[in-house]
Amino acid sequence: GAVVSQHPSWVICKSGTSVKIECRSLDFQATTMFWYRQFPKQSLMLMATSNEGSKATYEQGVEKDKFLINHASLTLSTLTVTSAHPEDSSFYICSARRLVTNTGELFFGEGSRLTVL
Amino acid sequence: GQQLNQSPQSMFIQEGEDVSMNCTSSSIFNTWLWYKQDPGEGPVLLIALYKAGELTSNGRLTAQFGITRKDSFLNISASIPSDVGIYFCAGQRWGAQKLVFGQGTRLTINP
Repeated sequence: GAVVSQHPSWVICKSGTSVKIECRSLDFQATTMFWYRQFPKQSLMLMATSNEGSKATYEQGVEKDKFLINHASLTLSTLTVTSAHPEDSSFYICSARRLVTNTGELFFGEGSRLTVL
Repeated sequence: GQQLNQSPQSMFIQEGEDVSMNCTSSSIFNTWLWYKQDPGEGPVLLIALYKAGELTSNGRLTAQFGITRKDSFLNISASIPSDVGIYFCAGQRWGAQKLVFGQGTRLTINP
């Protein structure tokens, strides 16, 4: 399967600081990437859809100024958690779509665990 | 957001047993995907289904795209310890970018 890599895999930061998480598609180009948040023992919650070269589309209830998304190239999307607070602590997962005819298989990164002290 | 109805939520089985889980929806999907997630990792794609009625296997895993386009199931035969994890179904509607996920099925295997 296609490879999607996230970095860092885990990060601990102080409250009030900003944290950037990178998502890279290593062996394919991805015009669309997705960012998810996952709480313990729960399913994936879509935060935003990241389109290369355009603004991200945020899901209802997700603060766009809090979670900044940049998709500057066909292989890289970044999520920046600005002014992080303890309630932002979570497991963040990105995914990228590889086009197969008119549908697309979605491949996920390894996830990034954020802990805000 | 909207989720698919995935069942069962959890399963406790003996090693060697077969496993079956399914997802249902009140609306039609054009693609069904099954993922497995290990603790602290991202989901890994197991099987992708693109046609109604399609039956696809991946080793000991078999998944089917329901004929009504509103459901899918995943079977695991002769379970082994490394099958432990959380299995998610996901559906995609035609023309939609994002996936809709099920709540997950947590599989535990007793040796």
